[in-house]
Amino acid sequence: QKEVEQDPGPLSVPEGAIVSLNCTYSNSAFQYFMWYRQYSRKGPELLMYTYSSGNKEDGRFTAQVDKSSKYISLFIRDSQPSDSATYLCAMSGRNDYKLSFGAGTTVTVRA
Amino acid sequence: ETGVTQTPRHLVMGMTNKKSLKCEQHLGHNAMYWYKQSAKKPLELMFVYNFKEQTENNSVPSRFSPECPNSSHLFLHLHTLQPEDSALYLCASSQELAGVRNEQFFGPGTRLTVL
Repeated sequence: QKEVEQDPGPLSVPEGAIVSLNCTYSNSAFQYFMWYRQYSRKGPELLMYTYSSGNKEDGRFTAQVDKSSKYISLFIRDSQPSDSATYLCAMSGRNDYKLSFGAGTTVTVRA
Repeated sequence: ETGVTQTPRHLVMGMTNKKSLKCEQHLGHNAMYWYKQSAKKPLELMFVYNFKEQTENNSVPSRFSPECPNSSHLFLHLHTLQPEDSALYLCASSQELAGVRNEQFFGPGTRLTVL
């Protein structure tokens, strides 16, 4: 079993739709949860960073962490063509520098 | 220059060549990382340096040799690579090695093709 599972997609949605991305994980020691966005031919850039359970909102982006279910989500409201990218989830333990990544979900927002 | 820069952006090499990848971070961070990204696979951590000292070698073959002369620069020396080593090689840095300040910032990567 992989430590982090992420649906690879691809996911194609019309402009303005809500995009829902998720990851499941098996290691209950994970405390920090991140979402990275990676545009084509670019490196990943940190989008959202959450500690422990709960929700975090930043503009059109909302990250949710449910540690009891070992499940994290990223929602993109009012999606734009500029949101077309691959989204990677990542997580780590409290004092661990190693990030465990999902394989990434490729999203295309159609104008 | 800002953030994390990597050169070259693209590299094609034969299996007998020797080449080096360079990474520089302009963020004043103390930790630097090399990752390998292959299609449809999670990022694989290769090496970690903290204050120039190597803290992680994730069972990487010896044909990959890292070098960290200071906290701002990181190199990956390549020799006698195999075609399966073709991938995007990403460099990252973070303020500290672990904890809340472990947010990792990535460079654009070097797209490596081994013929």
